[in-house]
Amino acid sequence: NAGVMQNPRHLVRRRGQEARLRCSPMKGHSHVYWYRQLPEEGLKFMVYLQKENIIDESGMPKERFSAEFPKEGPSILRIQQVVRGDSAAYFCASSPDQASTTEAFFGQGTRLTVV
Amino acid sequence: GENVEQHPSTLSVQEGDSAVIKCTYSDSASNYFPWYKQELGKRPQLIIDIRSNVGEKKDQRIAVTLNKTAKHFSLHITETQPEDSAVYFCAPGSNTGKLIFGQGTTLQVKP
Repeated sequence: NAGVMQNPRHLVRRRGQEARLRCSPMKGHSHVYWYRQLPEEGLKFMVYLQKENIIDESGMPKERFSAEFPKEGPSILRIQQVVRGDSAAYFCASSPDQASTTEAFFGQGTRLTVV
Repeated sequence: GENVEQHPSTLSVQEGDSAVIKCTYSDSASNYFPWYKQELGKRPQLIIDIRSNVGEKKDQRIAVTLNKTAKHFSLHITETQPEDSAVYFCAPGSNTGKLIFGQGTTLQVKP
């Protein structure tokens, strides 16, 4: 059973470009969470999705950021018109149920660098 | 909003000594209390967790204790080894589904 898969592992974008980060949850998991980690800080919750639904996007900036988890395929975190402050590690986690009751498994992360 | 604080922010111990990290949270709805270990450049990995109906859980050299009344839980590592050196995060969760991470504690175990 493969773990949570994120790609790409490293992504370099120029200011103003778009960044697309992908997350394939563990088999059988229908809950996906995205977190952002700035250097030397803790992880900050961004968004919680189930298949085809956004459950909680309270941690996601209103502008430029969007997330989806379609019926088929991976979850996508999309950042439009990236700025230097978007440089961070973005981690995806999945669980078979809400994270309060079961372990959330984290992917290896995507390290986004905006130049 | 939810507030999670860890203390200390850095901890240096001699190999073989014990290490204790405390996590204080504000959300009374929290009912899941995990600790994650993150090595440099890697993903957070769950090392131990506890549910709100249990006061203590132990797994070999690692233990977690929970005081729900006082809203804090602690990570205890005994007989520390150099490979325990990492950043440790508490991340209490509730029925909202999301985990609220503390700011992290950098543990250094000196050989």
